[in-house]
Amino acid sequence: AQSVTQLGSHVSVSEGALVLLRCNYSSSVPPYLFWYVQYPNQGLQLLLKYTSAATLVKGINGFEAEFKKSETSFHLTKPSAHMSDAAEYFCAVSGTYKYIFGTGTRLKVLA
Amino acid sequence: DAGVTQSPTHLIKTRGQQVTLRCSPISGHKSVSWYQQVLGQGPQFIFQYYEKEERGRGNFPDRFSARQFPNYSSELNVNALLLGDSALYLCASSWGGDEQFFGPGTRLTVL
Repeated sequence: AQSVTQLGSHVSVSEGALVLLRCNYSSSVPPYLFWYVQYPNQGLQLLLKYTSAATLVKGINGFEAEFKKSETSFHLTKPSAHMSDAAEYFCAVSGTYKYIFGTGTRLKVLA
Repeated sequence: DAGVTQSPTHLIKTRGQQVTLRCSPISGHKSVSWYQQVLGQGPQFIFQYYEKEERGRGNFPDRFSARQFPNYSSELNVNALLLGDSALYLCASSWGGDEQFFGPGTRLTVL
């Protein structure tokens, strides 16, 4: 069975600092992995996805993630945080007919 | 192109009532999935329908039911509402259940 663990329910960074949001997965088959962002009172917006092509995946808004099979990780990074990045971020793995989501990480960006 | 649409945007019900939520998929998509997102948590899978047939069901009670129509739109019904059913209900569509595109959600409040 597939599962996702997001380490850190809250992360605070200063504006301009590196953003690192952690995601570890468990899957018995090669996984498809996703990062979504959710702004207050809105739905989910896809940031990026890994579908077994390149291990370094670039997404929207300057975000990227690296698939590391040996570490079963798919951490999300952004070199320089912007105030507009403040939101909730969800990592997800594709299971049978469904996505399995992590519990989310709320990113706070400090001026 | 129009994305996934959901109606209504917000809904307030009282305990014991019944509710119907609606979803229109992206044109050409034949699969619709439903997720429940309780405040502070990641989305949880409820159902997936493909070509009007239920293809997957999450760990939800029988009070939750859904159907898909010939035009691939879908309804989620919840009977005998409980306070704990208060959540954001997300609909996602896909060609065949793989990459899913999410709608903005319906916010249900049960009083």
